[in-house]
Amino acid sequence: GAVVSQHPSWVICKSGTSVKIECRSLDFQATTMFWYRQFPKQSLMLMATSNEGSKATYEQGVEKDKFLINHASLTLSTLTVTSAHPEDSSFYICSARDHQVLPNEQFFGPGTRLTVL
Amino acid sequence: SQQGEEDPQALSIQEGENATMNCSYKTSINNLQWYRQNSGRGLVHLILIRSNEREKHSGRLRVTLDTSKKSSSLLITASRAADTASYFCASYPYGNNRLAFGKGNQVVVIP
Repeated sequence: GAVVSQHPSWVICKSGTSVKIECRSLDFQATTMFWYRQFPKQSLMLMATSNEGSKATYEQGVEKDKFLINHASLTLSTLTVTSAHPEDSSFYICSARDHQVLPNEQFFGPGTRLTVL
Repeated sequence: SQQGEEDPQALSIQEGENATMNCSYKTSINNLQWYRQNSGRGLVHLILIRSNEREKHSGRLRVTLDTSKKSSSLLITASRAADTASYFCASYPYGNNRLAFGKGNQVVVIP
């Protein structure tokens, strides 16, 4: 299957700093990328959807100025958590989809564990 | 928003037993998918069942779909310790290209 990578796999930062998480599709072109967050023992909550070259669409309740998403190429999307606070500590997972090849399937990255002190 | 809901949410079984988990969803769907997530890891796609299918098999996995009841079940036969994970159903509600996840089932298989 298609491979999606995330970097870093984990990060610890101080409150008030910004953290950037990268999501890459390694062997396919991701026309759409999705960012999810997951709290312990809970399900995945969709944060935003981004199409290559256009602005991301954020889910209700997700602050777009807090979670900056850039999808500048067909293989890379980044999520920047700005001015991170302890309540932003979570597991962030990206996924990617190629509409033309496999429109029904999303491929997930391994996730990034963010801990804000 | 969450599309599906699973019941029960936690299951502990002995190795070799079968594990069954359920999922219900709210709106019409084109297909329903099941994913596995090992602790602290990403999701692995297990199986997809289309809305015009009632049952599908893949190895030790058996998925059923009842569109009249808006529900699905995942059966893992002859469970192994390596099956210990959380299992989520997910779907694309009609007219929506965003994959929505259910609450998940945590399965523990005791060796």
